[in-house]
Amino acid sequence: QVHLVQSGAEVKEPGASVRVSCKPSGHPFAGRYMHWVRQAPGQGLEWVGWVYPNTGGTNSPQKFLGRVSMTWDTSISTAFMDLSSLTSDDTAVYYCTRGRGGAFEGMDVWGQGTTVTVSS
Amino acid sequence: SYVLTQPPSVSVAPGQTARITCGGNNIGSKSVHWYQQKPGQAPVLVLYDDSDRPSGIPERVSGSNSGNTATLTITRVEAGDEADYYCQVWDSSSDLVLFGGGTKLTVL
Repeated sequence: QVHLVQSGAEVKEPGASVRVSCKPSGHPFAGRYMHWVRQAPGQGLEWVGWVYPNTGGTNSPQKFLGRVSMTWDTSISTAFMDLSSLTSDDTAVYYCTRGRGGAFEGMDVWGQGTTVTVSS
Repeated sequence: SYVLTQPPSVSVAPGQTARITCGGNNIGSKSVHWYQQKPGQAPVLVLYDDSDRPSGIPERVSGSNSGNTATLTITRVEAGDEADYYCQVWDSSSDLVLFGGGTKLTVL
């Protein structure tokens, strides 16, 4: 059974950057998309983007372009999400989650979440 | 841009049937996925491709998708079904993943 293990909580000042890691365990990750989804306090789910480990390709909504970088380190089989120019609006729980297959498919395994707090 | 609309809340008595809708323009032409999220926990996939259940999800949970509305149906509702439910699609025209705003299911 696959598990996704994420890095620990982060507290950052406005304008800083944050890196969240996500390491699958249990089975190889080949052929699946790794999505990032966030949830602000008391709010719904918001898709941040995906990285496709096989090619390193990425995609994310316009609102994150230029601020988010999603990568897959093949040597350690770990996904990373970097978010820069943080504001209080970025305070949220960030989840990595595995796509069942293509980008259009559902997300069947979720990490435990990483709380990112942006505060001065 | 494509928008998914869910009712903020649905209430149902134990043993009854809960229906949670997800509206979108011609959503019937897309594959809809549903997630359950309990307080303090990560979401869990409960339906994929409109109506398929992952292993471990009870047969009480079913789904349909036609026209402009997709529906998640839970029969014989139990207290443990109380949670937030989110629908999700991939919009091919924009190549973006979209979530509905979520519906809080309350078991009376």
